[in-house]
Order: sequence, then C-alpha cells, then structure tokens
Amino acid sequence: DAGVIQSPRHEVTEMGQEVTLRCKPISGHNSLFWYRQTMMRGLELLIYFNNNVPIDDSGMPEDRFSAKMPNASFSTLKIQPSEPRDSAVYFCASSPGTGITQETQYFGPGTRLLVL
Amino acid sequence: KQEVTQIPAALSVPEGENLVLNCSFTDSAIYNLQWFRQDPGKGLTSLLLIQSSQREQTSGRLNASLDKSSGRSTLYIAASQPGDSATYLCAVNTGGFKTIFGAGTRLFVKA
Repeated sequence: DAGVIQSPRHEVTEMGQEVTLRCKPISGHNSLFWYRQTMMRGLELLIYFNNNVPIDDSGMPEDRFSAKMPNASFSTLKIQPSEPRDSAVYFCASSPGTGITQETQYFGPGTRLLVL
Repeated sequence: KQEVTQIPAALSVPEGENLVLNCSFTDSAIYNLQWFRQDPGKGLTSLLLIQSSQREQTSGRLNASLDKSSGRSTLYIAASQPGDSATYLCAVNTGGFKTIFGAGTRLFVKA
C-alpha cells in the first residue's frame, strides 16, 4: 500500500484566497483525521471521521475551516478565506479503527501551507 | 483538560549511548499511549502503542513503559545510532479518538 497520500505537498497562497487540501487514506481504514502542526501549538487534532461521517469537529478553529469526506477514499480540508495565521503543516492520518480506540494512526507526509 | 508534557525538549548524545525520553500526562484516564517519530519535513511514524492495561512494549532497541497512576511514560532507546536522530512525540488517547500530543523531544545522535 502507498500509505496515506496528501496533496499538494506545498502550497503558497495569498491572504483571502481559498485553499483546498486533499487526502487519500489507506484502503480499508475506517477512520480519518486532520491535524495541524505549528511551532507554537504543536500538533492539534482538527476533525476526525469514522466511516465517512464527521464524529468530532471541535478542533476546527473557525467557520473558515471545513472538511468533507464524500467517500471512503477521499477527504478535503478547505480554508476560505485563508489568513496568515493559518500557515502550518496539515497532516492527514487514517486508522483501521471501527469505533474502538486502540488502533495506530498512520500519517501522511503533510501539506506545508504558507499564507502571505 | 488533558495535558501532555515531554522532557527534555532537546537532547544531544554520542552514538552508542542508552537514553530515556520522558512523557507525562495530567489525567490518568487514558485508553492508550503512543510514541511517534517525526523526521524533518516528514509525517509521523508510530513506534510503539501501549494499551492502558499494559505496562510496557518493546520493539527492537526501543522500549516504552507506562505508569498510569503517576501519569508517566518513558521511551528507552538502547545503543543509539545517528539514524535515530529525529523528533519523538508522545500521544495519549483519551477516548473517542481524542489524541493529545506532546510538543516532542528533538534528539540528535552524534557519530
């Protein structure tokens, strides 16, 4: 398996623009997570899905952030409008979990976002 | 609110040395604890997962222990190598896929 795939790997955009990050989880995994990593705040969970359904989005910082998972093999994280403080590395992770909490999460390589 | 702290923030050791990384958490009600490795510019790789009912897990030169009552975990790396240089993160699962990460320990092993 190719592991978790994220695109783009790098994104530079201007403040106010819409940004869409994409993730393809490992085939067969039931859960998908979006994280944000910054020097100041470390790694933060934004949202997670189980069987394509958003279970907890309490980590999503503002209404400017939205995430979707239209099917088991694809998810997007959208920021509209983007702001300089959104600059961070965004990770997607997937897990074979089916609702219990003991499975390992497998991380993608991340998308480095810079908002100017 | 669960908080995870890792000490030290950075560590530099000569090759071959045995070392211990520390992780502490404030709420002992956890489901499991994981140690991850992160290389610069890369994602996280899971090293060891300890269930709440377990005391330790071993994989090769790595050994992780868990003491829920005291809110502590350690990652022991034996005979360190330059290839072990990376940032090591501790993460606790508080249930419902809520995973809280520590800030990490940046390890540098000198050849």
